[in-house]
Amino acid sequence: SQTIHQWPATLVQPVGSPLSLECTVEGTSNPNLYWYRQAAGRGLQLLFYSVGIGQISSEVPQNLSASRPQDRQFILSSKKLLLSDSGFYLCAWSSGGGNEKLFFGSGTQLSVL
Amino acid sequence: DAKTTQPPSMDCAEGRAANLPCNHSTISGNEYVYWYRQIHSQGPQYIIHGLKNNETNEMASLIITEDRKSSTLILPHATLRDTAVYYCIALDNYGQNFVFGPGTRLSVLP
Repeated sequence: SQTIHQWPATLVQPVGSPLSLECTVEGTSNPNLYWYRQAAGRGLQLLFYSVGIGQISSEVPQNLSASRPQDRQFILSSKKLLLSDSGFYLCAWSSGGGNEKLFFGSGTQLSVL
Repeated sequence: DAKTTQPPSMDCAEGRAANLPCNHSTISGNEYVYWYRQIHSQGPQYIIHGLKNNETNEMASLIITEDRKSSTLILPHATLRDTAVYYCIALDNYGQNFVFGPGTRLSVLP
C-alpha cells in the first residue's frame, strides 16, 4: 500500500534561518506531488506541484522554493525564513493517472519567531 | 478548473443528516466534483467524488444536479467526529491543480 511520510511534525525556527522540509512517498511510482500551506485559521494554499523529477510548478510567488530530486521525494526550502512563513505545511500525492484522489501527509507545524 | 462556492459554516444535530451544498456553475463536461474534509491540525481526507451520477460510499453520498451546476454532500447520520471543514473541488480527469477554497465549517452539535 502507498504511504506518505513528512517530517518533522513541528519546527521552530528564527527569522532569517533556512528551511528544509522533506516529503517521501512509498508504494507508488511517478506520483504527482504537492506542497500546501495553511496559516492559522485559514484555508489551504497550494504552493507547488510537480508531475515529475525536476518539474516544479509554482502557484504563488514567495520566499519558498521546491525541488524534486528523486521520483518520490519532494523538498520545500527557504534560504531565509520570514515571520509570514509560519503555518501548517502539508505534502500530498496523487497517482496522476486521471480520476484520482489526493492523499495528504500528517503535516509540519512551522513557527517562525 | 471550475471555481466552487460553499457556505462558510453550517450546524447539524448529532444523528441527523448533514447536507453540505456546493455551487460549481462554470463546471465543464470533463470535470469531476471532489469532496474532502479536514479535521483540526490534520491533513485533508478524501471523502467522495463523482462526474454526473450520484455516488455513495461508506462515508457519504454525493448528489449532483442534472445540469451539474451544483452538488450536495450528505452525511446520513452525523456524529461529533464529523465536525470538520469540508471542501468541494471541481477538477478535470487529468487535473493536477488541486486548489482548495475556504470550504464549509460543519459543527455537529450534541
